[in-house]
Amino acid sequence: AQSVTQLDSHVSVSEGTPVLLRCNYSSSYSPSLFWYVQHPNKGLQLLLKYTSAATLVKGINGFEAEFKKSETSFHLTKPSAHMSDAAEYFCVVRFGNQFYFGTGTSLTVIP
Amino acid sequence: GAGVSQSPRYKVAKRGQDVALRCDPISGHVSLFWYQQALGQGPEFLTYFQNEAQLDKSGLPSDRFFAERPEGSVSTLKIQRTQQEDSAVYLCASRLNWASYNEQFFGPGTRLTVL
Repeated sequence: AQSVTQLDSHVSVSEGTPVLLRCNYSSSYSPSLFWYVQHPNKGLQLLLKYTSAATLVKGINGFEAEFKKSETSFHLTKPSAHMSDAAEYFCVVRFGNQFYFGTGTSLTVIP
Repeated sequence: GAGVSQSPRYKVAKRGQDVALRCDPISGHVSLFWYQQALGQGPEFLTYFQNEAQLDKSGLPSDRFFAERPEGSVSTLKIQRTQQEDSAVYLCASRLNWASYNEQFFGPGTRLTVL
């Protein structure tokens, strides 16, 4: 069975400090993994994706994620948070044509 | 158009009413997906089309939910005899083709409230 677990429903960081959003996955196969961001009243936007190439994946807006098979993790990081990063973040695993979303992590950035 | 569009953006229905939600995918995109996002949850897969063929409808929660894409472009999600538990944001996404490395592009969603 395919699933993702986002370990934190809410994360709060100060502007300029690092961001860490945690995701663990379960997949019977070599997974394709994604991070999406959802700003209020806007559509989901792809941040980055892992599809069995490099284990360190760089995305848009300075975000990156590292695929760790031994830990079944795909945590999202950013060195320095910006106010515009405040949003809902979803970790996603793909199986066939189905995307399985985590429950989301709400990121708050404190000025 | 430049992206996936959905209409209406907001819909309020009385319990028992039928509703129809429209999705206009990116022109030329073969694959189309519908998701249901309940409050505070991640989107959940409902159904998938490749052109006009509905290849997977395993996520539809009941036979009150019906989706179609008759000409392989615009899609409609219909919910009959709406119930309060149907209240959610319904998201549509399109993808260029079946290739897994292609990105899904999401629309802004339709927020359905059933009173």
